[in-house]
Amino acid sequence: DQQVKQNSPSLSVQEGRISILNCDYTNSMFDYFLWYKKYPAEGPTFLISISSIKDKNEDGRFTVFLNKSAKHLSLHIVPSQPGDSAVYFCAAKGGTSYGKLTFGQGTILTVHP
Amino acid sequence: NAGVTQTPKFQVLKTGQSMTLQCAQDMNHNSMYWYRQDPGMGLRLIYYSASEGTTDKGEVPNGYNVSRLNKREFSLRLESAAPSQTSVYFCASSEFPTAQAYNEQFFGPGTRLTVL
Repeated sequence: DQQVKQNSPSLSVQEGRISILNCDYTNSMFDYFLWYKKYPAEGPTFLISISSIKDKNEDGRFTVFLNKSAKHLSLHIVPSQPGDSAVYFCAAKGGTSYGKLTFGQGTILTVHP
Repeated sequence: NAGVTQTPKFQVLKTGQSMTLQCAQDMNHNSMYWYRQDPGMGLRLIYYSASEGTTDKGEVPNGYNVSRLNKREFSLRLESAAPSQTSVYFCASSEFPTAQAYNEQFFGPGTRLTVL
């Protein structure tokens, strides 16, 4: 039972354009959502997060949007840069699960110069 | 600061062999975690330790044991390795999370394990 799903295994965009990565979830108890970025042969690194009481959070070129009614979140990267090429994981935390995260499958983003 | 370190980086085992994956963090974090990453599956939590002296099962604990040796170190043991345990293993740490706030997890570089 995949509670967090990233239905696009890969995404390819041109440098300077917008990248939009999507994530859907099924558990209405999730109260915190995160995006992690992972380069090959490295561990994931935290990128940006959003609480369920908000619908948007912005940090520089990265913006996360949360649509609770649709159980959907998205990560926007504007403008995209070749260094953004990586695997992006969305993750969610349930209200009573303390630090336990449920991860999506990941989306491979490739930004072409 | 080294952050989260893991040893070894690579390991090949034969079915039935045992081994321990080591993890250490120097950020004075209370909580530590072990994940495995498989193609198409994302990261799945194996075990976690909310604080020194406590450990709890995650989503996929079967075939594994853990030891929280002290505040810095959290090891993962495979007693009798199976091919299904071929995976990349990540250790992570964070401040003690609460129901009201979330503290990001910091990940190590991973251990790539192959069981033949």
